[in-house]
Amino acid sequence: DAGVIQSPRHEVTEMGQEVTLRCKPISGHNSLFWYRQTMMRGLELLIYFNNNVPIDDSGMPEDRFSAKMPNASFSTLKIQPSEPRDSAVYFCASSLRGGRYEQYFGPGTRLTVT
Amino acid sequence: AQTVTQSQPEMSVQEAETVTLSCTYDTSESDYYLFWYKQPPSRQMILVIRQEAYKQQNATENRFSVNFQKAAKSFSLKISDSQLGDAAMYFCAYRGQGAQKLVFGQGTRLTINP
Repeated sequence: DAGVIQSPRHEVTEMGQEVTLRCKPISGHNSLFWYRQTMMRGLELLIYFNNNVPIDDSGMPEDRFSAKMPNASFSTLKIQPSEPRDSAVYFCASSLRGGRYEQYFGPGTRLTVT
Repeated sequence: AQTVTQSQPEMSVQEAETVTLSCTYDTSESDYYLFWYKQPPSRQMILVIRQEAYKQQNATENRFSVNFQKAAKSFSLKISDSQLGDAAMYFCAYRGQGAQKLVFGQGTRLTINP
């Protein structure tokens, strides 16, 4: 079975541009998570969905960030406008719903904003 | 809020030797889950081992085992017979029983010396 799929793997953009990161969770998983990894802050949860509904977006840094999950097999994380401090690796993860189930991570998208 | 602390930013070990990575956490919950994730240079997050807090028996997965001390809120990872492929960042993570978000430590970079 395919794991969590993320695209693009690498993204380089200029400050002020819109960036859209994409994620396809593992089929059958009903929870989806977006994490961000930076040297300064480590790995932190941005937002997560259960059954396509956003449950906790308290980690979203500011209004420039938005996430959607229009169906069970697709999610996007959008940054508009992007800033250099948004440079990071963004991970998508999915799992079955419930605290005891492990989260499976995608390969991540390395975003560089110049 | 729960916190996870990894006090060893870097560790090194000779190939075939045993190494222990430390992790402590802070929580007021009685039921939760603890995880160790491995992140090799490919940056893929890979689950190494998990422990349910209600289980007294320490989890083991082949060469990987944990020392779970619930009262001390300690969760260390022991890697036996270290191999070159074990070189990676290792993250300790906490997940509450009723929660779904993972709270990560800052990571320990493990180097294997041939």
